[in-house]
Amino acid sequence: AQKVTQAQTEISVVEKEDVTLDCVYETRDTTYYLFWYKQPPSGELVFLIRRNSFDEQNEISGRYSWNFQKSTSSFNFTITASQVVDSAVYFCALSEDTGGFKTIFGAGTRLFVKA
Amino acid sequence: DGGITQSPKYLFRKEGQNVTLSCEQNLNHDAMYWYRQDPGQGLRLIYYSQIVNDFQKGDIAEGYSVSREKKESFPLTVTSAQKNPTAFYLCASTYGTGSNEQFFGPGTRLTVL
Repeated sequence: AQKVTQAQTEISVVEKEDVTLDCVYETRDTTYYLFWYKQPPSGELVFLIRRNSFDEQNEISGRYSWNFQKSTSSFNFTITASQVVDSAVYFCALSEDTGGFKTIFGAGTRLFVKA
Repeated sequence: DGGITQSPKYLFRKEGQNVTLSCEQNLNHDAMYWYRQDPGQGLRLIYYSQIVNDFQKGDIAEGYSVSREKKESFPLTVTSAQKNPTAFYLCASTYGTGSNEQFFGPGTRLTVL
């Protein structure tokens, strides 16, 4: 069955600290897609990254980086030198190739970055 | 600017009343979705539509109804049969299939008085 687990409900850090948000997924498909979204206090989800199951290369975008490991079914997200503007809820999501148009979201991790 | 609009931002309803939430997109996306978000929980899929005049139930469709008469519009009606409708409702759209990222609207916060 399709499942996404974000075990960290809330994380609090001080500005400039590095922080890693964990995401563990379950799927029986060999072809699937993983996503991270950010939900700031305004409420609208913003897409951050998409990864397909055949691309395990880690990605870096500015202060953001993602570590995809199929061996542990994890797709973790690291923010380097966190800033107050990073405070938000972050969602990991999974879409299976056989799932058609459906995407399953994790429960989200609320990140507080204190000045 | 291309995007998704939802209205209203805040909505109050008395128990027993039906209410319709609006969702419009000008991204020319085929697929549209409605999600419900409760505090401390992830997004749960209510309904989705892949093409005009067609839609499928998601995981929590009971008490809700939708229509897709136009590609740009996907309104959600919260009926009186929905036992606990107070929540944050998000509309999204995507091009192609679920393998692509979704674009979200700003959401509607529904409160039942």
